Formats: sequence, structure tokens, C-alpha cells
Amino acid sequence: TQLLEQSPQFLSIQEGENLTVYCNSSSVFSSLQWYRQEPGEGPVLLVTVVTGGEVKKLKRLTFQFGDARKDSSLHITAAQPGDTGLYLCAGARTGRRALTFGSGTRLQVQP
Amino acid sequence: DAGITQSPRHKVTETGTPVTLRCHQTENHRYMYWYRQDPGHGLRLIHYSYGVKDTDKGEVSDGYSVSRSKTEDFLLTLESATSSQTSVYFCAISDFDGSSGNTIYFGEGSWLTVV
Repeated sequence: TQLLEQSPQFLSIQEGENLTVYCNSSSVFSSLQWYRQEPGEGPVLLVTVVTGGEVKKLKRLTFQFGDARKDSSLHITAAQPGDTGLYLCAGARTGRRALTFGSGTRLQVQP
Repeated sequence: DAGITQSPRHKVTETGTPVTLRCHQTENHRYMYWYRQDPGHGLRLIHYSYGVKDTDKGEVSDGYSVSRSKTEDFLLTLESATSSQTSVYFCAISDFDGSSGNTIYFGEGSWLTVV
């Protein structure tokens, strides 16, 4: 089983719709990151959240870190075809030298 | 873009042969990582390095070895390739270790097919 579970695994929506992607764990993380990956490329960092309850906005993307620092969500408002890609959450834990990645959510936004 | 170069980018090899993937960075970052990416599994850590000649295992290290003789180069070797090692391999670099939550930068990936 994955330490970080993402849901849904796949999401196909129409342009203009809203969506939320979830990243859940039973472990506590010192920080959590969201990455976006396009086909044929490596993941690229979107945001890092550090404080429990923290909310960060990046244009139409809203990221939230759970109060207990065990979960996070990514909400996209009015999705556009350019949002299509694989979204990965990744958690940092005290004493661990490497990030732990979730299984990913593949988003397709149809024009 | 972070200066990370992976080679080869694509390779097809036969079962039982050794394969070496190379990651070269121009950023002088201390930490280097090798991940593999498979459908439904996200990115899984194979090995990482926290300095020249300092390496440690990740969660899926069986069948893989690594070496880092210079700051800029991190090699991943499949000692005897198996079909289960068909995957996309990503190298990543960072100034700080994973517990800090700092950004890690990924290379473009190496597609390996073992037939």
C-alpha cells in the first residue's frame, strides 16, 4: 500500500468545470508538495505547504494542507485544457532524506 | 530549467544484461535521487546520494546499484535486467534533504524496456 493515497486516479472533465484532487495518509508530514507532470517530461513543483491548515492559491489552483498535516487537497476552478497532466503529491518527513510520492491523479480537460 | 541531463533517454535491452543509466547535473546540488515511475505507483525511490560516495537505499532498491564518484554524476546500474525493471527512470537533485520540503528538480526521464 502507498503511504500517500491520491484520489481519484483518473479524472476527465469538460473545460470550465471545477475539480478537487485529494492526497491522504495516516502519517504526519512536515510539509507537502504538489507537482505537475506533462507527458515525456519530469514533474515540476507547483507549491509547498508547511503549516497545518495552510491554504495557498496559484491563479485558479487552491492548495490546502490538513490541520493534522496528514492530508492535502488541490482544487482547480474553471479547468482549462492546459491543466491536463499528472498531478502528484509528495510528503516530507522529519528524519527522512527523500520525499514520498503519491500514486498520482491523471487529469484530462476536454475543450 | 535545472541543469540535469539523463542518458540514455531511451534504451531497449535484453533480459540478463547489465544496464547503466547516467545522471549529470550542473547545479552542484548535494542530494541526487533515482526514482522509477510505473502506472498506478507514482514515483518510487530506488536509491539516493547525500554526497560523493555517500549513498543509501530507497524503497525499491533490489536489483539496482548506484555510484557517485563526483558531485555532478550519479549512476544507476541494473546488474542483470529483468522485465519487471521496464519503467521510466527519473533522476532528481536537491540542495537539501527531503525532510526540509525544499524543491527537488527532475530530469526528463530515461525510458527503459527490457525484452
